[in-house]
Amino acid sequence: ETVLTQSPATLSMSPGERVTLSCRASQRGSSDLAWYQQKPGQAPRLLIYGASTRATGIPARFSGSGSGTEFTLTISSLQPEDFAMYYCQRYDDWSLTFGGGTKVDLK
Amino acid sequence: QVHLVESGGGVVRPGGSLRLSCAASGIIFSTYAMHWVRQAPGKGLEWVAIIRNDGGYEYYSDSVKGRFTISRDNSKNTLYLQMNSLRPEDTAIYYCANGYRELEGWGQGTLVTVSS
Repeated sequence: ETVLTQSPATLSMSPGERVTLSCRASQRGSSDLAWYQQKPGQAPRLLIYGASTRATGIPARFSGSGSGTEFTLTISSLQPEDFAMYYCQRYDDWSLTFGGGTKVDLK
Repeated sequence: QVHLVESGGGVVRPGGSLRLSCAASGIIFSTYAMHWVRQAPGKGLEWVAIIRNDGGYEYYSDSVKGRFTISRDNSKNTLYLQMNSLRPEDTAIYYCANGYRELEGWGQGTLVTVSS
């Protein structure tokens, strides 16, 4: 069973900064890697799928990259509405696995 | 615009049962695989189960296999989760979501609390 490890657990950032979140898989698999944003009291929202494709309506400041076992979500210039939890998720053989999440908070 | 609305959550004693529903609109429901995902209080996301668009295949996480059953009624645009032999560790917000490899749309969730 694949384990997804997200790092760091918490990132303290300021608006306008560039943010890089990491998601590492315990074993190679598909590039069916997605990223979600979740704000307190809300359901998650799909940001990126297929490792690098932005979902409908997602601003261009969000980008995804990676393959194999190393994946990255980048926010080019952090906006006030981007402070949230971020989760990665991979699909393998009919099951999904989520990472433990990275919290992006205000420095 | 996909709209998913979960219902059926509540408080149940350990060993009890509960049936969750998820009503879908804004999508051609019968063309989408559907999932249940849960989130324990203050914790991360945990995938629970998937059902194929035609209902002909389902798959479960090890933590719920043998206790939970996912099903769907495409004529009613509704997804279900039958939860039996509930345990305190099943306490969570349960979300339904549409998609196959990734979860495109999510409901607002329904809270299940397993407690004596």
